[in-house]
Amino acid sequence: QKEVEQNSGPLSVPEGAIASLNCTYSDRGSQSFFWYRQYSGKSPELIMFIYSNGDKEDGRFTAQLNKASQYVSLLIRDSQPSDSATYLCAVSITSYGKLTFGQGTILTVHP
Amino acid sequence: EAGVTQSPTHLIKTRGQQATLRCSPISGHTSVYWYQQALGLGLQFLLWYDEGEERNRGNFPPRFSGRQFPNYSSELNVNALELEDSALYLCASSLEIGTGNQPQHFGDGTRLSIL
Repeated sequence: QKEVEQNSGPLSVPEGAIASLNCTYSDRGSQSFFWYRQYSGKSPELIMFIYSNGDKEDGRFTAQLNKASQYVSLLIRDSQPSDSATYLCAVSITSYGKLTFGQGTILTVHP
Repeated sequence: EAGVTQSPTHLIKTRGQQATLRCSPISGHTSVYWYQQALGLGLQFLLWYDEGEERNRGNFPPRFSGRQFPNYSSELNVNALELEDSALYLCASSLEIGTGNQPQHFGDGTRLSIL
């Protein structure tokens, strides 16, 4: 079982729709959860982080965390073509420092 | 505010050579992390430095090493380069992790190509 798994892509949504990206993790000791966006040929860019169960909203982005189900998701509302990228889910345990990444989900928003 | 800066942008080496990659963290950040992103393998954790000390190491051979300087900048050294070391090497930095979980911010990376 992979430590961090993301829903297989690619995911294609029309402009203006809601894009839903999902991630599950295996280590119940995981404490912090991050979503990064990576454009082709570029480095990962932090877009959201969440530490507690529930929802966290930032503009068009909402991160949702359910520790009991070991599940974290990212919703992108009013999707734009500029949102087209690979989205990486990452989890960490504070004392380890490292981020463990999922394999990424490619999102395409078509006009 | 300047982000994480890495140098060089590209590095071309031959098998058996040694490579040195450099990273300057965001001002105020004391933790530096190194990751490898190879084609088809995703982002893999290499090393974590904090306050000049190596705090954690990923599943990589000892020929991958590094250090952190008093100004918190860092070097990654890769000895006896092999073809499979060809990858994008990413440096990230964060605030002191001892104060809690801190988001990591990435630099633009160094693309290492082994011929």
